[in-house]
Amino acid sequence: DAGVIQSPRHEVTEMGQEVTLRCKPISGHDYLFWYRQTMMRGLELLIYFNNNVPIDDSGMPEDRFSAKMPNASFSTLKIQPSEPRDSAVYFCASRPPGPPGGYTFGSGTRLTVV
Amino acid sequence: QQQVKQSPQSLIVQKGGISIINCAYENTAFDYFPWYQQFPGKGPALLIAIRPDVSEKKEGRFTISFNKSAKQFSLHIMDSQPGDSATYFCAASIPFNAGNMLTFGGGTRLMVKP
Repeated sequence: DAGVIQSPRHEVTEMGQEVTLRCKPISGHDYLFWYRQTMMRGLELLIYFNNNVPIDDSGMPEDRFSAKMPNASFSTLKIQPSEPRDSAVYFCASRPPGPPGGYTFGSGTRLTVV
Repeated sequence: QQQVKQSPQSLIVQKGGISIINCAYENTAFDYFPWYQQFPGKGPALLIAIRPDVSEKKEGRFTISFNKSAKQFSLHIMDSQPGDSATYFCAASIPFNAGNMLTFGGGTRLMVKP
């Protein structure tokens, strides 16, 4: 099992540009989560999906952020337009169906907006 | 809202010593309490987890102690090693039927000195 795969690993972009982060969850996992990690705020849940349907997006900071999950094996997090304060590490995680269990995190995308 | 409070923020321990990280929660509906370990440049990885029907769980050098009445739980790392140097997150989740999101603590950066 290759685990949760995120791309790109690093992204440097200029303020105002559109940024798209990608995630491939583990096959068979029906929950997918997007987290943002910063020194100041720790791990923040942005949005999560169950069976490709967005369940809770209350953590999405602004309308500039959007997330999609067109199928069970792919999800995107898009920031448009990007701002320097969006600089952070973005993690995707997935978990299997059933009672609460451990999430499997990807290695993250380090985003720098200059 | 921070429903899981973690302390200390950072911890330095000598090799062979005991590392202790504490967490307190507010929501009595939480019924699953995992700990995650994160190395630099990696995503958090599940280390050990406990449910409130037991007061302690041990896996190798890692032990979770759980005090339901005090709404507190802690991670003990016995015989701490330099390879244990990482950031540790406690977390808690509500029951499966209610959505089952993990709420993370703020993290503890552990350094084990040789």
